[in-house]
Amino acid sequence: DGGITQSPKYLFRKEGQNVTLSCEQNLNHDAMYWYRQDPGQGLRLIYYSQIVNDFQKGDIAEGYSVSREKKESFPLTVTSAQKNPTAFYLCASRYSNQPQHFGDGTRLSIL
Amino acid sequence: QQQVKQSPQSLIVQKGGISIINCAYENTAFDYFPWYQQFPGKGPALLIAIRPDVSEKKEGRFTISFNKSAKQFSLHIMDSQPGDSATYFCAARSYGKLTFGQGTILTVHP
Repeated sequence: DGGITQSPKYLFRKEGQNVTLSCEQNLNHDAMYWYRQDPGQGLRLIYYSQIVNDFQKGDIAEGYSVSREKKESFPLTVTSAQKNPTAFYLCASRYSNQPQHFGDGTRLSIL
Repeated sequence: QQQVKQSPQSLIVQKGGISIINCAYENTAFDYFPWYQQFPGKGPALLIAIRPDVSEKKEGRFTISFNKSAKQFSLHIMDSQPGDSATYFCAARSYGKLTFGQGTILTVHP
């Protein structure tokens, strides 16, 4: 089935540790996005990529990094510089001028 | 100017009633206005969307009303069902990026 796969579903981070969240899509979509969701705050854009090997910062990029080496993959690293990383992280992708489609998220917690 | 303001924060409706969620925006560069539905532990799913050259769009029990001059748009859910209980987000798109409202938690009582 075509879709967006985020893994793992749950992730725990220790203090000072970097963790990487996976996002893979087999929809042949060009654009991919990472959002952070906190209760009562909607979705906030972290990073996005319109094409391979290119990406731009969103509204809350500090403490995060991404790469886009393949069209299908857009991993997000939550670095130790992100002091409040506990959140629900959502990946999305889009083809041309079509709506964004979302994965089912990764919930990150601090140990 | 990039904000999208959504209200109410939460909404309780009886089965068969009408649910109404409102959004307002400032940025006139927004060119597409989708609504997403999200169930707990899942990603948002596109429900219905509208472009600013249309004042209303209906799909089944779901209707978007769009007022370009007031920079407001709303989602109406007719004959609300318990299965509609979810969080709803409005959004607005500019240059391929979506700006989301804060979300509305809808509870439909049987």
